[in-house]
Amino acid sequence: NAGVTQTPKFQVLKTGQSMTLQCAQDMNHNSMYWYRQDPGMGLRLIYYSASEGTTDKGEVPNGYNVSRLNKREFSLRLESAAPSQTSVYFCASSSIRSNQPQHFGDGTRLSIL
Amino acid sequence: RKEVEQDPGPFNVPEGATVAFNCTYSNSASQSFFWYRQDCRKEPKLLMSVYSSGNEDGRFTAQLNRASQYISLLIRDSKLSDSATYLCVVNIIGGGSYIPTFGRGTSLIVHP
Repeated sequence: NAGVTQTPKFQVLKTGQSMTLQCAQDMNHNSMYWYRQDPGMGLRLIYYSASEGTTDKGEVPNGYNVSRLNKREFSLRLESAAPSQTSVYFCASSSIRSNQPQHFGDGTRLSIL
Repeated sequence: RKEVEQDPGPFNVPEGATVAFNCTYSNSASQSFFWYRQDCRKEPKLLMSVYSSGNEDGRFTAQLNRASQYISLLIRDSKLSDSATYLCVVNIIGGGSYIPTFGRGTSLIVHP
């Protein structure tokens, strides 16, 4: 019963390094999302993919790129990491129907020095 | 103005108390509504959906008021294990798809 799986769970980077956060879901959901959560800021949407083959910017897309590799997988890339991107990153998925809730992965804790 | 607003709290209540949280949203085209629970440094987990007629799940009751654009969560007979952050989520139509928008969360601390 995997649900939404994120890798890695923890990562420390140096400023300027790049990395890709991976997310996969096994619930046959159409929509997938990437959020970041910072203290006192709540969850903020970075990018989302309403269906396979489409991606759209959310509230805070700058400094990030995404790829919807197939229906199951949605990756988030930091091309040149900055300390301001230190955060907890959550991936989520949901059915395309509006009354369906999201299911979350257990997060990636990313620190950029 | 943030699209989904919540009182951040913390709400500090004794065991057995009844506590209510409110959440307001600004987009009248909002389609669906949820309450999530988030424990410290963990992922958000669905607590309950919120239906127009109101709905109850054990000690938890959710209400929706579309005219005034707010939703509420009532917790009766609070338990120590209810201590968490409660997130209000509103699905808003944007660009032809539904975009979940989160409030910043309300912190609840239940003490003995």
